[in-house]
Amino acid sequence: GAVVSQHPSWVICKSGTSVKIECRSLDFQATTMFWYRQFPKQSLMLMATSNEGSKATYEQGVEKDKFLINHASLTLSTLTVTSAHPEDSSFYICSARAVGVPQNSPLHFGNGTRLTVT
Amino acid sequence: GQNIDQPTEMTATEGAIVQINCTYQTSGFNGLFWYQQHAGEAPTFLSYNVLDGLEEKGRFSSFLSRSKGYSYLLLKELQMKDSASYLCAYGSGGYNKLIFGAGTRLAVHP
Repeated sequence: GAVVSQHPSWVICKSGTSVKIECRSLDFQATTMFWYRQFPKQSLMLMATSNEGSKATYEQGVEKDKFLINHASLTLSTLTVTSAHPEDSSFYICSARAVGVPQNSPLHFGNGTRLTVT
Repeated sequence: GQNIDQPTEMTATEGAIVQINCTYQTSGFNGLFWYQQHAGEAPTFLSYNVLDGLEEKGRFSSFLSRSKGYSYLLLKELQMKDSASYLCAYGSGGYNKLIFGAGTRLAVHP
């Protein structure tokens, strides 16, 4: 149980274009999902907290107009990287916690999306 | 910074025991979590502590001292497949987001 699916697994796009990444909880409902970014040989950096039906909460230094988050249902959150540039090339990973479990329960991670901007 | 520290790299021998330490500083704490991550893959959950003490899960155990802001992950009977990065993270904030350390790259050799 507690499977998080992320799509696509990898994507290559041209500079200036936008890319949408989907994060789905397959066998549970998630009020809250978290989006992380990881550069090579670095740790996971939290970008934003996504809440179903409300605006996302962005971490300091993350541009909300560049990284658009939409959490339209209890099983789907999307991250859109707008006007992507080569420095946005990274490994983007979503995670979720099931509705009803204690908040100090572990997060379940998707398999990540490797974005390469050329 | 994220106020969470762990060693960058460690090496150990197959069959041995290794302890990976993690220290953290935060005003709002709600759990200390350990994840394993192989290169190019997403993290997988290993163990977590909410209260002080030792939590044992098979070959993996995790310890927490909240007063000292200290945790460790203990890996027993090391196998080659345990070569990976080990990430510690603390939970914080209203939605208990996880703040990760930089990770410890463990190399297990024969």
